[in-house]
Amino acid sequence: EVQLVESGGGLVKPGRSLRLSCTASGLTFGEYSMSWVRQTPGKGLEWVGFIRSKAYGGTTEYAASVRDRFTISRDDSKSIAYLQMNSLKTEDTAVYYCTRYYNYGYGYFDLWGRGTLVTVSS
Amino acid sequence: AIQMTQSPSSLSASVGDRVTITCRASQGIRNDLGWYQQKPGKAPKLLIYAASSLQSGVPSRFSGSGSGTDFTLTISSLQPEDFATYYCLQDHNLFTFGPGTKVDIK
Repeated sequence: EVQLVESGGGLVKPGRSLRLSCTASGLTFGEYSMSWVRQTPGKGLEWVGFIRSKAYGGTTEYAASVRDRFTISRDDSKSIAYLQMNSLKTEDTAVYYCTRYYNYGYGYFDLWGRGTLVTVSS
Repeated sequence: AIQMTQSPSSLSASVGDRVTITCRASQGIRNDLGWYQQKPGKAPKLLIYAASSLQSGVPSRFSGSGSGTDFTLTISSLQPEDFATYYCLQDHNLFTFGPGTKVDIK
């Protein structure tokens, strides 16, 4: 079965760090760019960041709200994408989704994990 | 950054109704737009990509149209399982979601 599974969420104090993982199975992970999307409880979706596949340079992009605090990386040998979150703020509280960017012709997020909840609170 | 707006923010409809949701981009994005459906407690699900292409497995009552700055998602005959929140997403220049349209039961 093709799936993405996020892990690493939890309760963390403001100013601290947390690393989320997105483990892929059933797909050739290294062929795909990956992204993180978050959703504040009861609110809409917000794109967080993106990492291209190695074929496209493996480079990253971030939303302005997290740039300089969050870092996305990938380990293709383990089929895992990471979201390193530093200097966390209460407004970073959200469910974080990992998603695959399918980019053969047209691009779109076609595969999503179930999400992991991050709560930033003192 | 490209901004996305959606209208309406919510609507009430009955089973069998035709429903139309619009999305507008702050600048031209060609047809680099997708539509996603999200139900409570679940991850978003891709319905439409490239503005008008139906994702595999999605019922044909869903359709999309538009190009440039104005886009539309239409549900031709609303079914009970379609009550959800719908988001547009541009991927022309990085990514931006619209604020969402909640479709609930009249």
